[in-house]
Amino acid sequence: DGGITQSPKYLFRKEGQNVTLSCEQNLNHDAMYWYRQDPGQGLRLIYYSQIVNDFQKGDIAEGYSVSREKKESFPLTVTSAQKNPTAFYLCASTQDRNSPLHFGNGTRLTVT
Amino acid sequence: KQEVTQIPAALSVPEGENLVLNCSFTDSAIYNLQWFRQDPGKGLTSLLLIQSSQREQTSGRLNASLDKSSGRSTLYIAASQPGDSATYLCALILTGGGNKLTFGTGTQLKVEL
Repeated sequence: DGGITQSPKYLFRKEGQNVTLSCEQNLNHDAMYWYRQDPGQGLRLIYYSQIVNDFQKGDIAEGYSVSREKKESFPLTVTSAQKNPTAFYLCASTQDRNSPLHFGNGTRLTVT
Repeated sequence: KQEVTQIPAALSVPEGENLVLNCSFTDSAIYNLQWFRQDPGKGLTSLLLIQSSQREQTSGRLNASLDKSSGRSTLYIAASQPGDSATYLCALILTGGGNKLTFGTGTQLKVEL
């Protein structure tokens, strides 16, 4: 089945450590996105990529980094510079702006 | 800056009731609008996508409308069922906004037996 796989589902880290969240899609989509979801704040865009080897900052990119070396993969690194990293992280993809957005099932990151 | 508002934040209805969820936006220069469903602890599932040139889209018991001039979209759910219980979010792309979606904060729906 085609879809988006995020791993792991739950992730625990100590403050000061960098952590990388995985996102893989087999939908052959060009565009991929990372969102952060906090209670009462909706989804906020962290980074997005419209093509391999290219990505742009979203609304809350500080403290995060990404890479897009392959079409099917868009990993997100949460660095120690991110002040409040504990959140639910969602990866998404779409073929183009006329097509629906597909989401993975998310990674819940807890930093203590 | 585009603001997307969904009111109410939570809604509880008895099974079988028809209901309307609202999504308001401040900038009418939108390219399209999507409605999503999110179950607890899960990702989002796209329900309906309305292009700016369309007035409505239908899928089964769901009907979404779009009125750009009033800055409003509604999601109509007919004959609600307990399985419809979830959070419903709207999101839109602005004309000239590339592929970036702006999301509302969602309406949490509970359909009771």
